[in-house]
Amino acid sequence: EAQVTQNPRYLITVTGKKLTVTCSQNMNHEYMSWYRQDPGLGLRQIYYSMNVEVTDKGDVPEGYKVSRKEKRNFPLILESPSPNQTSLYFCASSFVDSPLHFGNGTRLTVT
Amino acid sequence: QKEVEQNSGPLSVPEGAIASLNCTYSDRGSQSFFWYRQYSGKSPELIMFIYSNGDKEDGRFTAQLNKASQYVSLLIRDSQPSDSATYLCAVKEAGGGNKLTFGTGTQLKVEL
Repeated sequence: EAQVTQNPRYLITVTGKKLTVTCSQNMNHEYMSWYRQDPGLGLRQIYYSMNVEVTDKGDVPEGYKVSRKEKRNFPLILESPSPNQTSLYFCASSFVDSPLHFGNGTRLTVT
Repeated sequence: QKEVEQNSGPLSVPEGAIASLNCTYSDRGSQSFFWYRQYSGKSPELIMFIYSNGDKEDGRFTAQLNKASQYVSLLIRDSQPSDSATYLCAVKEAGGGNKLTFGTGTQLKVEL
């Protein structure tokens, strides 16, 4: 089944404790991206990747890191999480110039 | 700052009626337009996309695009309670890789 898989689905952590949210797709998509969704603000892009070893900042990259060592994986790293990073996170992938396919989301709470 | 504007709603329509969802965008260079449906706590799922001026129909859904007015809409015919969700309008910039800028969504409620 073609899908974008994120893990974990739910995560509660404390300020400053490094965490990684994984994202994997099995559709051989070149393009992958991370979004966060907050009430009243909608979906905002954090980082994106056009292909292996090619990443770039989106609209809200502060406090996040990504890497793209393999085509299928695009982890999101929070080196020192803060409460303002409490949000619903979505990974998405696509072929270039095709619609995005979203993962099931990760609800992160930072206390 | 490129913007995509939607009325947050809720938009309430009776079962069987036509629901009309609207979206305006600020970037005249935008090339592709998408409608996603999102149930509460779930991920967005693609409903339709449209690239050219005019109408595009897919089952009960029709997307309408007017680039001169920077306006895109989604019509849902014969609305069903299962259509109750938040509908997200998304716009792809010209030359922006595959980045989508999303509106904040319109909540649709279809009432029995």
